[in-house]
Amino acid sequence: GENVEQHPSTLSVQEGDSAVIKCTYSDSASNYFPWYKQELGKRPQLIIDIRSNVGEKKDQRIAVTLNKTAKHFSLHITETQPEDSAVYFCAASIWETDKLIFGTGTRLQVFP
Amino acid sequence: KAGVTQTPRYLIKTRGQQVTLSCSPISGHRSVSWYQQTPGQGLQFLFEYFSETQRNKGNFPGRFSGRQFSNSRSEMNVSTLELGDSALYLCASSPSNTGELFFGEGSRLTVL
Repeated sequence: GENVEQHPSTLSVQEGDSAVIKCTYSDSASNYFPWYKQELGKRPQLIIDIRSNVGEKKDQRIAVTLNKTAKHFSLHITETQPEDSAVYFCAASIWETDKLIFGTGTRLQVFP
Repeated sequence: KAGVTQTPRYLIKTRGQQVTLSCSPISGHRSVSWYQQTPGQGLQFLFEYFSETQRNKGNFPGRFSGRQFSNSRSEMNVSTLELGDSALYLCASSPSNTGELFFGEGSRLTVL
């Protein structure tokens, strides 16, 4: 069945360092890959997304890369700040629907 | 614009009871989806509705059901509650078939 694996489950970095979270998906039909950030006690919020016709997308300090052949996609956060501390979820879907298959989440802690 | 509104925010039920959760999407959003969030299983897709029609359903037992009304508001119902149904139930709406989900704050269900 459809599955998204996410690694690592926890990630601790020093403020200013970079953080990378990796995901692998199983469904070849997937063509939309969003990333959500969930702060403690709050709702998940979309931070960046990428569609299968693009290999990389950047938005200020965050970037996402996609390798369709290997079915891998990754989130890169540069110059991390304490406010980046949260749980990050990757997901995969067919973009004409809203059925997202989520990864299990990565708890990112950024230490000052 | 008001965000996605979910009611009730918190509720406690006992095993065997049933529960109905409500979701009002962002104005103009016609697609509503539901997710179950637990510490062990992460975010799992329950169902997706568009124009009052269920488009997709996740791998949950028949005790979980939902519907969408003509004004795009949605409800989900869980019958014969089990302890394992304790979770945060998140509703999300999207403009239309974009895959970009806007989540509500969630309804936290505790089953005793």
